[in-house]
Amino acid sequence: QSVLTQPPSASGTPGQRVTISCSGSSSNIGSNYVYWYQQLPGAAPQLLIYRNDQRPSGVPDRFSGSKSDTSASLVISGLRSENEADYYCVAWDDSVSGYVFGTGTKVTVL
Amino acid sequence: QGLLLQSGAEVKKPGASVRVSCKASGYTFTRFGMNWVRQAPGQRPEWMGWINSGTANTRYSQKFQGRVTISRDTSASTVYMELRSLTSEDTAVYFCAREGTELLFDSWGQGTLVTVSS
Repeated sequence: QSVLTQPPSASGTPGQRVTISCSGSSSNIGSNYVYWYQQLPGAAPQLLIYRNDQRPSGVPDRFSGSKSDTSASLVISGLRSENEADYYCVAWDDSVSGYVFGTGTKVTVL
Repeated sequence: QGLLLQSGAEVKKPGASVRVSCKASGYTFTRFGMNWVRQAPGQRPEWMGWINSGTANTRYSQKFQGRVTISRDTSASTVYMELRSLTSEDTAVYFCAREGTELLFDSWGQGTLVTVSS
């Protein structure tokens, strides 16, 4: 599948701010919305951010998203132990006419 | 929010087919699309395809085109995913995930483990 590139890992202590990047291209992030998901071990992914920077109801405002050109970012402010999970960005890719998932970032709370 | 309940785990031989079901409740079935996403062990999720639950229009990932069929039964509020010509590389957890006008994959099924082994 087309590549949305994320750092494989990120970490921080409780209360810190963690930023996860998602780098794509003009055929995906550059021309379509970005979505972010959290996946806890053994569970299905859960929607955190939709349409680049919108939070669904029930998602804490510690999670925020942004997009610029062909890259996107997810910020977790005030890191908590329950935020230990895998995080994925997703975007529609015009070159393959399908949704593509990022490579994933494992967040560890130290 | 909507609840999606998937069928149970499957074990299949190489070359066989598998059909996984996803029963929706708690919302108007025909007003939301449904996607299928699979996740092999230790891998990122992978989008397989989508169905418009109202019209039954479908679109499939190029990777699975010709090997997957997604269908729905509106009377049962259920979406089905059939994957044919299975190989060991199809061993994965298969999820259904709802799609609305703005929200993508906002509700997920619990996942169905499909194991392909001789």
